[in-house]
Amino acid sequence: GAGVSQSPRYKVAKRGQDVALRCDPISGHVSLFWYQQALGQGPEFLTYFQNEAQLDKSGLPSDRFFAERPEGSVSTLKIQRTQQEDSAVYLCASSLEEGQPQHFGDGTRLSIL
Amino acid sequence: AQSVTQLDSQVPVFEEAPVELRCNYSSSVSVYLFWYVQYPNQGLQLLLKYLSGSTLVKGINGFEAEFNKSQTSFHLRKPSVHISDTAEYFCAARLSGGYNKLIFGAGTRLAVHP
Repeated sequence: GAGVSQSPRYKVAKRGQDVALRCDPISGHVSLFWYQQALGQGPEFLTYFQNEAQLDKSGLPSDRFFAERPEGSVSTLKIQRTQQEDSAVYLCASSLEEGQPQHFGDGTRLSIL
Repeated sequence: AQSVTQLDSQVPVFEEAPVELRCNYSSSVSVYLFWYVQYPNQGLQLLLKYLSGSTLVKGINGFEAEFNKSQTSFHLRKPSVHISDTAEYFCAARLSGGYNKLIFGAGTRLAVHP
């Protein structure tokens, strides 16, 4: 499809496990964002890429969170040693270039047991 | 620092009635303002945006919003709602310069009843 694609849509993991969440942005989109949306809350910024460069990671809550976009297209958000407070929906968004509207994927709902 | 406040967590309304969802922002610099809609188990869809120019902006699905700089508000309105408008609505802001990290409000749940 032509939209932002995220996988998996749902992920259940036991506390302490590592997880990897994938984002396929719209083809040709330079900017890519990750947001975390806790239950009943608005999305909160995690990190921003321009092509393969991670220009802002100020929103990552701890050093257990790591994101990459090695070839400037697909991005992966990795969470190590997951904890219950990591349970949330993780949203990916892309835009054609800086300043253009962001297009959101449907998110990955992560549940940590 | 920027912040966005949505004054109502839930708004119940009857079908075909008008609705207003309130949003206030705070920022020491110029911001751009947005409204997004989120249907269950889906991502965010842009309803409308204010970047500059006319303070009354029209969006999709019959929604409109008015930017009021003196009151630092950006309220969303629709003159007649439908059952299908039931969803979560988010107001968001970003700085007018630089890359476009969005700051979101906590959301307003619009529930349209027959």
